[in-house]
Amino acid sequence: AQSVTQLGSHVSVSEGALVLLRCNYSSSVPPYLFWYVQYPNQGLQLLLKYTSAATLVKGINGFEAEFKKSETSFHLTKPSAHMSDAAEYFCAVSEASGTYKYIFGTGTRLKVLA
Amino acid sequence: EAQVTQNPRYLITVTGKKLTVTCSQNMNHEYMSWYRQDPGLGLRQIYYSMNVEVTDKGDVPEGYKVSRKEKRNFPLILESPSPNQTSLYFCASSFMSGGPTDTQYFGPGTRLTVL
Repeated sequence: AQSVTQLGSHVSVSEGALVLLRCNYSSSVPPYLFWYVQYPNQGLQLLLKYTSAATLVKGINGFEAEFKKSETSFHLTKPSAHMSDAAEYFCAVSEASGTYKYIFGTGTRLKVLA
Repeated sequence: EAQVTQNPRYLITVTGKKLTVTCSQNMNHEYMSWYRQDPGLGLRQIYYSMNVEVTDKGDVPEGYKVSRKEKRNFPLILESPSPNQTSLYFCASSFMSGGPTDTQYFGPGTRLTVL
């Protein structure tokens, strides 16, 4: 069965510092992996996704993530945090077998300090 | 404007009173899905639909019903709501041409309180 673990329900970084949000997955078959962002009082929007084409994936707003099969990880990074990055971030997985079921992590709330 | 709409956005009801939350998309998406979001639990999939008249259970389907009679609409029905269904609900839709990799577009959410 698939599962997603996000380490750290709350992460604080200073403006301009590196952002690192962790995501580990468990899947019996090759997965598809996603990062979504949720701004206050809004729905989720896609940041980036891994679909097996390339292990380093670039997304919107300067975010990127690297798929590491040996570590079963898909951590999200951004070199320099901006105040507008404050939001909740969700990692999600879907099996490549095409079941169309999605499993989301519990989320990480990012706080950016001035 | 391409969007997923949900109604109502906020709803307070009492235990056992049947309710329906509507979801509509104007992007001609085949795939639609319902999630609930609870603090500390993230998003959990309730039901999904891959096309008209095709629905399947997600991880937490108990206490919910769905129907997909038209491509654009995917209502969520709570026939006898209970307090443990108090939650924030999201509808999402996507194309299926790329398989499960297609981007899901989320609605703004419906905050439901069951007293």
